[in-house]
Amino acid sequence: TQLLEQSPQFLSIQEGENLTVYCNSSSVFSSLQWYRQEPGEGPVLLVTVVTGGEVKKLKRLTFQFGDARKDSSLHITAAQPGDTGLYLCAGRGQTGANNLFFGTGTRLTVIP
Amino acid sequence: SAVISQKPSRDICQRGTSLTIQCQVDSQVTMMFWYRQQPGQSLTLIATANQGSEATYESGFVIDKFPISRPNLTFSTLTVSNMSPEDSSIYLCSGNNGGGYTFGSGTRLTVV
Repeated sequence: TQLLEQSPQFLSIQEGENLTVYCNSSSVFSSLQWYRQEPGEGPVLLVTVVTGGEVKKLKRLTFQFGDARKDSSLHITAAQPGDTGLYLCAGRGQTGANNLFFGTGTRLTVIP
Repeated sequence: SAVISQKPSRDICQRGTSLTIQCQVDSQVTMMFWYRQQPGQSLTLIATANQGSEATYESGFVIDKFPISRPNLTFSTLTVSNMSPEDSSIYLCSGNNGGGYTFGSGTRLTVV
């Protein structure tokens, strides 16, 4: 099993603030994905990063894949209440592997 | 992306009984997976459902406890057998076609 540690585990911030969530592992991943999950629903894919050092932007969300492909970060600018949810990183193992290993999760609450 | 319908959405079961969870995908998917998730926590992979052959189980999960079927490329079931209160959790299925992963909305199981 390839472990992915996320930090922080819980985060409560005011609307308009910025935040960063980290996803770290000792294992190398061929790709890494970020999901957001709301209560009573399954995780919804936000982004996939594949290349070491890659940066992707999705509106106010910026995702970065570490150079060594062992870690990733998610930065949210000017957080809004609609950003509230459980954020999960997930790594895909060696090239050709199809199963995902999920991170420990970060529960974000954005207070209006 | 594919849409997955999962049912039941929730159930309360007596210990010692079994529950079968179904997932129907609106299009063919190459891979299907089953996960377990404690509320607010991360997802743990139970097994990969293989079409036409036995599922591939992760460490700590066995076929006798979690039999899985996958008769075709759009359907899979997971049975939680001889349930105990420790099996209370959320169970999710996922489908993948080599790119993004789509999840069912989950089954919240409570064993009393």
